[in-house]
Amino acid sequence: EPEVTQTPSHQVTQMGQEVILRCVPISNHLYFYWYRQILGQKVEFLVSFYNNEISEKSEIFDDQFSVERPDGSNFTLKIRSTKLEDSAMYFCATQGQENIQYFGAGTRLSVL
Amino acid sequence: AQSVTQLDSHVSVSEGTPVLLRCNYSSSYSPSLFWYVQHPNKGLQLLLKYTSAATLVKGINGFEAEFKKSETSFHLTKPSAHMSDAAEYFCVVSARNNAGNMLTFGGGTRLMVKP
Repeated sequence: EPEVTQTPSHQVTQMGQEVILRCVPISNHLYFYWYRQILGQKVEFLVSFYNNEISEKSEIFDDQFSVERPDGSNFTLKIRSTKLEDSAMYFCATQGQENIQYFGAGTRLSVL
Repeated sequence: AQSVTQLDSHVSVSEGTPVLLRCNYSSSYSPSLFWYVQHPNKGLQLLLKYTSAATLVKGINGFEAEFKKSETSFHLTKPSAHMSDAAEYFCVVSARNNAGNMLTFGGGTRLMVKP
């Protein structure tokens, strides 16, 4: 069964450093999403991406965050200058024409 | 605006007994509703979805959920729990039944199954 792949599974970084989280979507999916879950809190929507542009974003997704599909396959989330409060599990999801989002296993980001 | 409340953060059942995980939602639109399950170190897996067809929805692994508009509920049930059902379960709402819409998650319910 096709699946969404996220790398790395765990990323440790120093405060102020840039991180890039990577996602390989299911082939032929056109909609892409990032969500995050801070420990002990709900899964929260960050951003959706379609046709090479952001279609919707939450208040969390400020200027420190960016997304792109650099090579037409991978879908990346970049945090420019990480803060302690960015520590969370980050989930990528992708979607075809049906209304179902398929999730990766997540990347656990730890900011020290 | 939409929101989801999962009424129990933890549920413990014995193997072979019924499972009930409760979920209430609010939505300004006719919502699509989902249940996802997460096993340790795995991605979120779709159990079932409701998209305005039949109100009783059957999913994988013997789970089902009933959409009750009057109660704004979408509770998840299973007649007989199995040890492999132990996981975190998320009730999720989407504003509209088409692609490209953000999901809003409940807080999750951790299901524990005792032998």
